[in-house]
Amino acid sequence: SQQGEEDPQALSIQEGENATMNCSYKTSINNLQWYRQNSGRGLVHLILIRSNEREKHSGRLRVTLDTSKKSSSLLITASRAADTASYFCATDAEKDTGRRALTFGSGTRLQVQP
Amino acid sequence: GAGVSQSPRYKVAKRGQDVALRCDPISGHVSLFWYQQALGQGPEFLTYFQNEAQLDKSGLPSDRFFAERPEGSVSTLKIQRTQQEDSAVYLCASSPYRTTYEQYFGPGTRLTVT
Repeated sequence: SQQGEEDPQALSIQEGENATMNCSYKTSINNLQWYRQNSGRGLVHLILIRSNEREKHSGRLRVTLDTSKKSSSLLITASRAADTASYFCATDAEKDTGRRALTFGSGTRLQVQP
Repeated sequence: GAGVSQSPRYKVAKRGQDVALRCDPISGHVSLFWYQQALGQGPEFLTYFQNEAQLDKSGLPSDRFFAERPEGSVSTLKIQRTQQEDSAVYLCASSPYRTTYEQYFGPGTRLTVT
């Protein structure tokens, strides 16, 4: 079963605009990660934020984490057509279950129009 | 360096056939994961290896699914007596960590059961 929910399920924007995706999850976590998946390709790790961090930046990416609300957001600034992909948040439930696998949400499909 | 590779990339099987999916992880990565991804969904955990030890197989959907990693490197996911509901993309990921930090994914094997 999916751990989290991404919101929105789909997002269409123009090049140069910012894109914001949200993720909610259910268990206690050690960290939360965001991955990107282009059509027909594997997942690529974008950024990891630890449970004791509230905000992290990497290039045009900004991730926030609110453990009290069990939610995270991913902001992509100045989007490009090449950012068109599905974006997934992934959490670990190792604290609660001891399981060392990632649990993924259902993803946000981002379309950036040139 | 070389990333995670999977073979075959595409597999069509008739219902009832056995299939074997191969994963070559990044050299030296101790952790290896298998995930199943249905169309339009996020990946779902199947099983986890640390070196040659299968530490978690709680995500395998039935006893028709079997995975091995005998020498702590290459892994094979075997599905016996395939059913239509087994149609999905099977993703392999490896990690140099023993805990749930970032994972490096292969391109996946798309299995279609007819």
